[in-house]
Amino acid sequence: GAGVSQTPSNKVTEKGKYVELRCDPISGHTALYWYRQSLGQGPEFLIYFQGTGAADDSGLPNDRFFAVRPEGSVSTLKIQRTERGDSAVYLCASSSTGTSGGAGYNEQFFGPGTRLTVL
Amino acid sequence: AQTVTQSQPEMSVQEAETVTLSCTYDTSESDYYLFWYKQPPSRQMILVIRQEAYKQQNATENRFSVNFQKAAKSFSLKISDSQLGDAAMYFCAYSPTGNQFYFGTGTSLTVIP
Repeated sequence: GAGVSQTPSNKVTEKGKYVELRCDPISGHTALYWYRQSLGQGPEFLIYFQGTGAADDSGLPNDRFFAVRPEGSVSTLKIQRTERGDSAVYLCASSSTGTSGGAGYNEQFFGPGTRLTVL
Repeated sequence: AQTVTQSQPEMSVQEAETVTLSCTYDTSESDYYLFWYKQPPSRQMILVIRQEAYKQQNATENRFSVNFQKAAKSFSLKISDSQLGDAAMYFCAYSPTGNQFYFGTGTSLTVIP
């Protein structure tokens, strides 16, 4: 595809349920990022993958949140026992490679996000 | 902790005029990246302009330019010759490595025809 795609575009679930959000990065991009954007706020970093491994998961708020990228392409963000406070837009981005400080920067291309509503 | 502050929740500009959006940040790093992103109602974040902290020269991209004041930790965005398509939320972002981003709360820009 031409850009980063995310499915579903909208997801409504009930408190306590399990949800999976999918991100398809730009083909060939080795780095993938997840962000959460709550209403009226800027995006908040959750996790960053370099290839199949999570290079930085310091932004995951608690152990209910988990993300995988088993083949180094598509990634799934998984949220267990959803809470109303998890309601937000979940954004995914990819770049051609991650950046090691001082080694240059590769632009992150964002998808349109998944709007998650927990009732 | 790194924080990014955008003190203007909303701004408006007349079409063809110039507007400046403010951003300040807090960091103890000496090398880092700064960005301005545009988010239209479609939700997709679009990179407007970026600045590497080690570069003294202010970045410019067509009608968009920044005023980077490293000592003051200030990074404002100037939009010249504003167009209707510039209307959107604008987010300032800081990154120490180019990977993990810290975003401000955004400024909603309205362009008046």
